[in-house]
Amino acid sequence: QKEVEQDPGPLSVPEGAIVSLNCTYSNSAFQYFMWYRQYSRKGPELLMYTYSSGNKEDGRFTAQVDKSSKYISLFIRDSQPSDSATYLCAMRVMNSGGYQKVTFGTGTKLQVIP
Amino acid sequence: DAGVTQSPTHLIKTRGQQVTLRCSPISGHKSVSWYQQVLGQGPQFIFQYYEKEERGRGNFPDRFSARQFPNYSSELNVNALLLGDSALYLCASSSFLGEGGSGDTQYFGPGTRLTVL
Repeated sequence: QKEVEQDPGPLSVPEGAIVSLNCTYSNSAFQYFMWYRQYSRKGPELLMYTYSSGNKEDGRFTAQVDKSSKYISLFIRDSQPSDSATYLCAMRVMNSGGYQKVTFGTGTKLQVIP
Repeated sequence: DAGVTQSPTHLIKTRGQQVTLRCSPISGHKSVSWYQQVLGQGPQFIFQYYEKEERGRGNFPDRFSARQFPNYSSELNVNALLLGDSALYLCASSSFLGEGGSGDTQYFGPGTRLTVL
């Protein structure tokens, strides 16, 4: 079983739709949860960073963490064609030796159609 | 401020050759991590360096090695290249190590796309 599972998509939605992207995880030691956006042939760009269970909002983006269910989500409101990209969830834990282990999901490819 | 920079952008090698990839972190960042991203997959952790010392290693063979310089830039070396090493190699930098807070958040460079023929 993978430590992080992510719905692979691809996901195609009309402009203006609400998008829901999800990841589940099995390692209860994960402490920090991130969402990255990656455009084709580019490096991942940090979108959201959360620590505790609950919701965190930033503009059109809302990150949700449910540690009891080991489930995280990213919601995009009023989706735009420029949101078309691959969205990666990532989770972090501090390993013995003091380094951070970051584990990524496989990514969900999103296309927003004008 | 400039973000994380990587060079070269693209690279084509043949099996058995050796390759060196370079990364310059964001100014003030002391930690550099390397990831391999195969097409259609998420990035896989290779190494983390902090203050010029290796602090973490992923599940990669000894053909992969890295180092960090006094100016915090870093090199990733891969020996005896295999076809399966074809991937996007990403470098990420962060301010601190082990603080556990937002300072550990990693910022990625654009990557080096390596093709092994």
